[in-house]
Amino acid sequence: NAGVTQTPKFQVLKTGQSMTLQCAQDMNHEYMSWYRQDPGMGLRLIHYSVGAGITDQGEVPNGYNVSRSTTEDFPLRLLSAAPSQTSVYFCASRPVTGELFFGEGSRLTVL
Amino acid sequence: AQSVTQLDSQVPVFEEAPVELRCNYSSSVSVYLFWYVQYPNQGLQLLLKYLSGSTLVKGINGFEAEFNKSQTSFHLRKPSVHISDTAEYFCAVSDVSNYQLIWGAGTKLIIKP
Repeated sequence: NAGVTQTPKFQVLKTGQSMTLQCAQDMNHEYMSWYRQDPGMGLRLIHYSVGAGITDQGEVPNGYNVSRSTTEDFPLRLLSAAPSQTSVYFCASRPVTGELFFGEGSRLTVL
Repeated sequence: AQSVTQLDSQVPVFEEAPVELRCNYSSSVSVYLFWYVQYPNQGLQLLLKYLSGSTLVKGINGFEAEFNKSQTSFHLRKPSVHISDTAEYFCAVSDVSNYQLIWGAGTKLIIKP
């Protein structure tokens, strides 16, 4: 049982480049989410989804897009990377009620 | 809106000493409460949770937490810490009617040999 899998683990981008962080879960969870983690700021919700075809904005959505075409996958797209998007990104999923299961994180540096 | 305060950004403690990490939340509506742990360069994993029932909740690795509704607190405790407990600990709260988690800023537990 792989749980929540994120790729890539590390990425370096130049300002203005675009990229997609991949997230997949094999637990049949309806709810999936993306967080960013910055020192001293805890976890901040970027986008979330309560099921295939349904997405919504979190606390810090600007500069990011998501889609949810299947229950398993929830990719996060950076449209035009900026240095302020340098962060560690976590994907998480959970059943309708209950605890969040996290991926191991993707460390992104934007130069 | 709900908010979560972890009063200490860092807590240094000697090995085998007891520790308490504090967490307070703002709203007194019915809530679910969680503590997560993040070891260096890893994702977060659930330490323990309070959904209902007994206010004293036991989790993994010898940790426990007590839900205090009147003080809107959910402090995490361990009677004797080990070097392997070095990690960052996050408190999170959700209203029972809204499953979005609100996170505290985290507390780094530093174990001194």
